[in-house]
Amino acid sequence: DAGITQSPRHKVTETGTPVTLRCHQTENHRYMYWYRQDPGHGLRLIHYSYGVKDTDKGEVSDGYSVSRSKTEDFLLTLESATSSQTSVYFCAISSTGPSNQPQHFGDGTRLSIL
Amino acid sequence: GQQVMQIPQYQHVQEGEDFTTYCNSSTTLSNIQWYKQRPGGHPVFLIQLVKSGEVKKQKRLTFQFGEAKKNSSLHITATQTTDVGTYFCADTSNAGKSTFGDGTTLTVKP
Repeated sequence: DAGITQSPRHKVTETGTPVTLRCHQTENHRYMYWYRQDPGHGLRLIHYSYGVKDTDKGEVSDGYSVSRSKTEDFLLTLESATSSQTSVYFCAISSTGPSNQPQHFGDGTRLSIL
Repeated sequence: GQQVMQIPQYQHVQEGEDFTTYCNSSTTLSNIQWYKQRPGGHPVFLIQLVKSGEVKKQKRLTFQFGEAKKNSSLHITATQTTDVGTYFCADTSNAGKSTFGDGTTLTVKP
């Protein structure tokens, strides 16, 4: 498996609190992605990065921000968590854009917002 | 935005039966990828299809890309309990952005 570590793996928090999820890779891949997975919705792209400090929005970016200060780390922040953001969050990486290379996924973070 | 529709949403089969999932798009796809996610696991890349009419095989799995590049299918011959999971197609036509179908969840009764 590709060297991708997501932390934390599980988190329970309260509405209105800030939450930061971390994705760390050891593959030196250029592209990194954050997805959320909810029952019946498959994987939906939140944000992605195509290089250090280069990020773009996905289809469900509202309420989320990201940062990438180093190649290996991609952070996803929920500034003020809401119950609708309860989900499983997956980080993925690819060496080039997804049209050329497969994406490799981390093990996911299960986030519950009460 | 671009959407890929996947059918069926669920499929229950007896071990040994065949299984097929379909992925359809209203627009032409540059290429398409297929992933498998085991229960409790993460998606794992299976294959990428690029050419019109392309057919690729991986043991009991056969992947097809339609002639018009608007649809794709994954067929599993003689399912086994190890095939259990959710199969996703992904439209990777847009640079940097993938659009995943909602997946087909396969259960196999031994």
